[in-house]
Amino acid sequence: GENVEQHPSTLSVQEGDSAVIKCTYSDSASNYFPWYKQELGKRPQLIIDIRSNVGEKKDQRIAVTLNKTAKHFSLHITETQPEDSAVYFCAARRGQNFVFGPGTRLSVLP
Amino acid sequence: GAVVSQHPSWVICKSGTSVKIECRSLDFQATTMFWYRQFPKQSLMLMATSNEGSKATYEQGVEKDKFLINHASLTLSTLTVTSAHPEDSSFYICSASRGLTSGEQYFGPGTRLTVT
Repeated sequence: GENVEQHPSTLSVQEGDSAVIKCTYSDSASNYFPWYKQELGKRPQLIIDIRSNVGEKKDQRIAVTLNKTAKHFSLHITETQPEDSAVYFCAARRGQNFVFGPGTRLSVLP
Repeated sequence: GAVVSQHPSWVICKSGTSVKIECRSLDFQATTMFWYRQFPKQSLMLMATSNEGSKATYEQGVEKDKFLINHASLTLSTLTVTSAHPEDSSFYICSASRGLTSGEQYFGPGTRLTVT
């Protein structure tokens, strides 16, 4: 089955700096890769996603890149703000099945 | 659009009793619903996938007789934790998807279950 790894597990950055979180997946048939932001005690919120026929997608300060050959995808947050502090999860989907990465706790220091 | 509700948001029950959690898609038809379990500071662990009108598909290690899932309509799925024990205490989150081609899944707010 699919296995998703995520690094780093924790990340601290200064406000205004960029943050990068990387994920790898094992199943080459996976074709949809969402990123979720989860604040403490709340539901995961989709922040950006990318499909396997696209290499890069950007939405304001957030971008995702996908390398299908290497089976890895990354989340890039620029000009970080304190409200970006949360746990971020990547996921890979094949058919109906979603597999989540273990998460990255991002702290943006003012 | 794409709002998913979950009820109750928090429940405390005694060991040995059963608890039912409801997951509703409020403004779209959810062909597929997912049930996850999340322990503190950990990732989402998929428990089962359910398609409307058919039996749920459980992940390895999840007891289908203990975690009963019903997806009777395109807007409602229920998870019943039967004969709950303290180790079942967790955050249970459902999500809903319009279908295989839509990709995106929409999460409910979660239910915190505490078994005493």
